[in-house]
Amino acid sequence: AQKVTQAQTEISVVEKEDVTLDCVYETRDTTYYLFWYKQPPSGELVFLIRRNSFDEQNEISGRYSWNFQKSTSSFNFTITASQVVDSAVYFCALSEKVNTGFQKLVFGTGTRLLVSP
Amino acid sequence: NAGVTQTPKFRVLKTGQSMTLLCAQDMNHEYMYWYRQDPGMGLRLIHYSVGEGTTAKGEVPDGYNVSRLKKQNFLLGLESAAPSQTSVYFCASSYWGPEYYYNEQFFGPGTRLTVL
Repeated sequence: AQKVTQAQTEISVVEKEDVTLDCVYETRDTTYYLFWYKQPPSGELVFLIRRNSFDEQNEISGRYSWNFQKSTSSFNFTITASQVVDSAVYFCALSEKVNTGFQKLVFGTGTRLLVSP
Repeated sequence: NAGVTQTPKFRVLKTGQSMTLLCAQDMNHEYMYWYRQDPGMGLRLIHYSVGEGTTAKGEVPDGYNVSRLKKQNFLLGLESAAPSQTSVYFCASSYWGPEYYYNEQFFGPGTRLTVL
C-alpha cells in the first residue's frame, strides 16, 4: 500500500532561518501525484503544490521551494527566510489508484513548524 | 464562491447519540471526501463519493455512513456515537480527471466533534 512518512514531528526555528521539511513516500503506481498542504493554527487546510511523477523539476514559489527526487522517493519542502506566519502543520500527501480508476490521497502524519520571532 | 462549507463547526455528543455532518460545495466538483484528523495520525479517509448517488468506503469507515443525494452535498452520519469518534472531521472535494491526472482537493474548515 502507499505510504507517506514525515519523520519530523516538530521543528522549531527562529525567524529568517531556512527550514526543510522532509517527505518520503512508497508507492506501487508508476504514475502518481505528490502534494503539500498547510494547516495554520486556524485549522483549515491550504493547498500548496501538486507535482506529478513525470516531472522531476524543482519548483520555486516565492520563499517556498520543493525538491522532488524519484531516485530517493522524496519530495522535500524548503522555506527560505522563515517568518512567524509560516508556523503551521504541513502535510505531505500521495495519490493512490483505486481499482475503479479513482485516485485518493494518502497523507503523512504532518510536521509542526514553529517559527519564533 | 463559498468553496467547501461544513455544518456544524463544533458539536458535543453523548455516547450513543446520533448526528449528521453536512458538507456542501459550490464548485461543481464530481468527487467528495470525508476525513478525520486525529493527533499524530494525519488525515484518514472515512468515505468518498465519485458522483451523485455513489459512495465508497475509505480507510476507516466503521461507525459512519454517508449519502450523496445531490452533487453538491455529502452527508456523514454517526448512528451511535462513541468516544473513539472524537475527532476533527474534514470534508473535501475535487474535480474529476482522466486516469493519469489527479486534481488537488479543496477542503472545508472542519468540524470539531467531541463524544463524551
